[in-house]
Amino acid sequence: EDKVVQSPLSLVVHEGDTVTLNCSYEVTNFRSLLWYKQEKKAPTFLFMLTSSGIEKKSGRLSSILDKKELFSILNITATQTGDSAVYLCAVRTRMYSGGGADGLTFGKGTHLIIQP
Amino acid sequence: EAQVTQNPRYLITVTGKKLTVTCSQNMNHEYMSWYRQDPGLGLRQIYYSMNVEVTDKGDVPEGYKVSRKEKRNFPLILESPSPNQTSLYFCASSFLDGNQPQHFGDGTRLSIL
Repeated sequence: EDKVVQSPLSLVVHEGDTVTLNCSYEVTNFRSLLWYKQEKKAPTFLFMLTSSGIEKKSGRLSSILDKKELFSILNITATQTGDSAVYLCAVRTRMYSGGGADGLTFGKGTHLIIQP
Repeated sequence: EAQVTQNPRYLITVTGKKLTVTCSQNMNHEYMSWYRQDPGLGLRQIYYSMNVEVTDKGDVPEGYKVSRKEKRNFPLILESPSPNQTSLYFCASSFLDGNQPQHFGDGTRLSIL
């Protein structure tokens, strides 16, 4: 059974701090790892990672994947109150050996609270 | 505007009364999927569809049905809802090639009394 584990489950920090969120996985037929941010409504896409060691950056957010050790981290520097959200990690797997559609297995999320 | 639209956004109903949650996307995506999100359990896939008339079970399909008669629509049907189906439901869609992320609808909060 495919498994995605995120840690910590919740985190409270002060504005301006840097945070690191972790995601480890055990899956068959790995295709990619995705990070989403969920505030009150739908998860919104942040990053998709397919190759080890290549950092993806978007403003104060960055993420990297280690396919040998089977984990990814999401970094947020100089946090702001608007970064408060649940951050979801999901691993995309190939559902059929011949290609075709992907399955997406989610972790339980990290609930991040940024205090002013 | 590219979007995934779910209706209704909120619904309170009673055990056993059939209901349908609609999902529509305007991005010409082949792949569509339904998830439920519960505290402590995260997002779990209910059903997915790779294209018109092609559907398959996800991790938690019991008590649900889906259909894919048109590419843009993927309704979720609860024939005889029960209280353990009280949850937050998300529809998502993407292209089939796997190099694009899934886009999510805004969610439907269902409460079965």
